[in-house]
Amino acid sequence: EAGVAQSPRYKIIEKRQSVAFWCNPISGHATLYWYQQILGQGPKLLIQFQNNGVVDDSQLPKDRFSAERLKGVDSTLKIQPAKLEDSAVYLCASSWLTGVGLSGNTIYFGEGSWLTVV
Amino acid sequence: KQEVTQIPAALSVPEGENLVLNCSFTDSAIYNLQWFRQDPGKGLTSLLLIQSSQREQTSGRLNASLDKSSGRSTLYIAASQPGDSATYLCAVSQSNSGYALNFGKGTSLLVTP
Repeated sequence: EAGVAQSPRYKIIEKRQSVAFWCNPISGHATLYWYQQILGQGPKLLIQFQNNGVVDDSQLPKDRFSAERLKGVDSTLKIQPAKLEDSAVYLCASSWLTGVGLSGNTIYFGEGSWLTVV
Repeated sequence: KQEVTQIPAALSVPEGENLVLNCSFTDSAIYNLQWFRQDPGKGLTSLLLIQSSQREQTSGRLNASLDKSSGRSTLYIAASQPGDSATYLCAVSQSNSGYALNFGKGTSLLVTP
């Protein structure tokens, strides 16, 4: 079974530029998550989708971050304009359902997209 | 607001030692708790998941316990090996926050040969 795919793996941009990250979840997984992990910190949820609807985006800085999941499969996370503090790893994850742990529902993470803003 | 704390932040042990990683959380109304492993440059891999009604889970050399009333969990690693070197993250989910995972900062473990 293919895992969660993310691209690009690494990106260096200047502040005020824009960047987009792409995620392809495991086939059949209805729930997709984007997490931000700053060096030395645990991952922080940015946005959670159930199919193509947003379940939780309370921690997404909406003035500069946007995310979409058209057709309920792939997802794109965009940052525009980027700030120095956006330097982090952006992790995409997926699960069958919302509610990891329900009926053995397991969350799977991609390897992340590493962003450096200079 | 739920806060998850992991102690110690870093740990170095010689191969073969048994070790304990600690996780505490401020709101005991959790749905479940998970322990993850993160290797450098990689994503997270789920190790153990404990439902709120359970006290412990075991997988091979790993044993995780949960004391929900006191807001604590421990991950016990028996007979540590250099391949266990990684960052271990604890995360809790709650039904009143859409079951989203709330992570601690992790414990960075180094097992030396």
